[in-house]
Amino acid sequence: EPEVTQTPSHQVTQMGQEVILRCVPISNHLYFYWYRQILGQKVEFLVSFYNNEISEKSEIFDDQFSVERPDGSNFTLKIRSTKLEDSAMYFCASSENRGGYNEQFFGPGTRLTVL
Amino acid sequence: AQKITQTQPGMFVQEKEAVTLDCTYDTSDPSYGLFWYKQPSSGEMIFLIYQGSYDQQNATEGRYSLNFQKARKSANLVISASQLGDSAMYFCAMRVDSNYQLIWGAGTKLIIKP
Repeated sequence: EPEVTQTPSHQVTQMGQEVILRCVPISNHLYFYWYRQILGQKVEFLVSFYNNEISEKSEIFDDQFSVERPDGSNFTLKIRSTKLEDSAMYFCASSENRGGYNEQFFGPGTRLTVL
Repeated sequence: AQKITQTQPGMFVQEKEAVTLDCTYDTSDPSYGLFWYKQPSSGEMIFLIYQGSYDQQNATEGRYSLNFQKARKSANLVISASQLGDSAMYFCAMRVDSNYQLIWGAGTKLIIKP
């Protein structure tokens, strides 16, 4: 069964460093998403991406964040200068379509720890 | 603004009993979908069940069913014959068709006792 994959599973970085989180969505999916979950808190939407551009973003997704689909398979989230409060689990998701019943399939997550 | 409320931070249930996890939602959009996800301690997010706002019948998926009461804006998850492996966090989420994002509740931590 096709699945969303994410690498790395755990990333530790120093405050102020740049990190890139990688995701491979399901191959025939057209819509891609990043969410984050700070430990013990609710899941928060960051950004959605369709047709090589951002289709929606939240207030969290400020200038420190960027997304890219550098080739036909990868979807990346870059945090330019990490802060302590960026420590969280980051989930990538993809869906075939947008409206109606379109399940967002989630990857296993990348746990980011900022020291 | 859209909102999801899960009022039960934690629940303990005896194995083999049925359990109902509460979820209420708020939206003025007439077209939306409601989702339930399970998050075990390993951290991954597992899709369980979906209910569309125009669906006439309550969704069912194996031991999972969704008690959808549109007038009350509630979408409770019912797990029949609970098993030890059901112990996890459960999240209710909503997506309105005019947006892309899933909006999430705070989750309910379910612990099944042997």
